[in-house]
Amino acid sequence: NAGVMQNPRHLVRRRGQEARLRCSPMKGHSHVYWYRQLPEEGLKFMVYLQKENIIDESGMPKERFSAEFPKEGPSILRIQQVVRGDSAAYFCASSPKGPGTQYFGPGTRLLVL
Amino acid sequence: QQPVQSPQAVILREGEDAVINCSSSKALYSVHWYRQKHGEAPVFLMILLKGGEQKGHEKISASFNEKKQQSSLYLTASQLSYSGTYFCGTEEGSTDKLIFGTGTRLQVFP
Repeated sequence: NAGVMQNPRHLVRRRGQEARLRCSPMKGHSHVYWYRQLPEEGLKFMVYLQKENIIDESGMPKERFSAEFPKEGPSILRIQQVVRGDSAAYFCASSPKGPGTQYFGPGTRLLVL
Repeated sequence: QQPVQSPQAVILREGEDAVINCSSSKALYSVHWYRQKHGEAPVFLMILLKGGEQKGHEKISASFNEKKQQSSLYLTASQLSYSGTYFCGTEEGSTDKLIFGTGTRLQVFP
């Protein structure tokens, strides 16, 4: 059973470009969570999704950030018009149903030049 | 509000014990513990549900005091592989959302 998969693992963007981060949850998991981690800091909750629904997006910036988890395919975290402050590691986690253990993917390290 | 972990950092010799605490200002439904090594993803250690339970996993165990809104992680006879940053994740009510603590960096030396 493959674990949570994220791609790309590393992403470099110039200011103003768009970043798309993908997360494929573990097989059988219908809950996806996105977290952001700045260097030497903790994990900050961004958004919680179930298939086709956003359950909680209280941690996501109101502008430029969006997330989706379509019926088919991976969950996508999209950052429009990236700025240097968006540089961070973005982790997604999945669980079969909440509450419960969340299994983390390897993360996408975004660098904005 | 983010749970507070203490201490912020711990340095141990192999074989020594450590305790990491996690305190929340809010009533908790569950506490999750993770370990993250540098440049890697967090790895799940254990989950504790309200009810004051205690759990163990090899030489790592944890307790959860819901009245005090605190959890503690106990590392016994530490090994080099225990090095990393430990995070508690708290769930307030059955929201399915984890709020992670400030982290405790643990280094074990031979």
